Amino acid sequence: SQKIEQNSEALNIQEGKTATLTCNYTNYSPAYLQWYRQDPGRGPVFLLLIRENEKEKRKERLKVTFDTTLKQSLFHITASQPADSATYLCALDYSMDTGRRALTFGSGTRLQVQP
Amino acid sequence: NAGVMQNPRHLVRRRGQEARLRCSPMKGHSHVYWYRQLPEEGLKFMVYLQKENIIDESGMPKERFSAEFPKEGPSILRIQQVVRGDSAAYFCASSPGQGADGYTFGSGTRLTVV
Repeated sequence: SQKIEQNSEALNIQEGKTATLTCNYTNYSPAYLQWYRQDPGRGPVFLLLIRENEKEKRKERLKVTFDTTLKQSLFHITASQPADSATYLCALDYSMDTGRRALTFGSGTRLQVQP
Repeated sequence: NAGVMQNPRHLVRRRGQEARLRCSPMKGHSHVYWYRQLPEEGLKFMVYLQKENIIDESGMPKERFSAEFPKEGPSILRIQQVVRGDSAAYFCASSPGQGADGYTFGSGTRLTVV
């Protein structure tokens, strides 16, 4: 069966350090993978997209890697700040029975950056 | 340039009543998706719509749930005869295409069934 796994345990790090979050998936062949940030009581906010033929993508302090052989994506936040504290969701596109594609989400990993 | 607008933000219904959740997609977006999120769980896909068409409803419960996206007006997610298990946050997202540019989510409707 298809699965997306994110570490359900919260990640606690000190301000200024690099946070690394992991997303593993099985039985999918996504064309792309996306990362979202969700704050309590709010909807997810799109951060980055990486395509299957890309190894790495960067945006300011964010970096995403995508290894289709390992079926894994790593999400890095460098020079982390307390304002980065949130839940981060990994999402994959998948093909529905209709042939259309939609996103399926992991359960998310909560990041807590201590000042 | 308003984003995805959902209303109401909070909705309380008694068991057996109907719940209607509304979603106005971002301007220029023709693809609408509804997701449900239970506490401490991930987003679960429910239905994918374009104007006047249900593209995929494979995530929708077979009974009591329906969705529409009329030619004019917002997309509506309708839950008939609500039960306590329907209590959740319901998020709507929109995209200009099939999601390759990322989804824009609304702030959600928190449904509580008492």
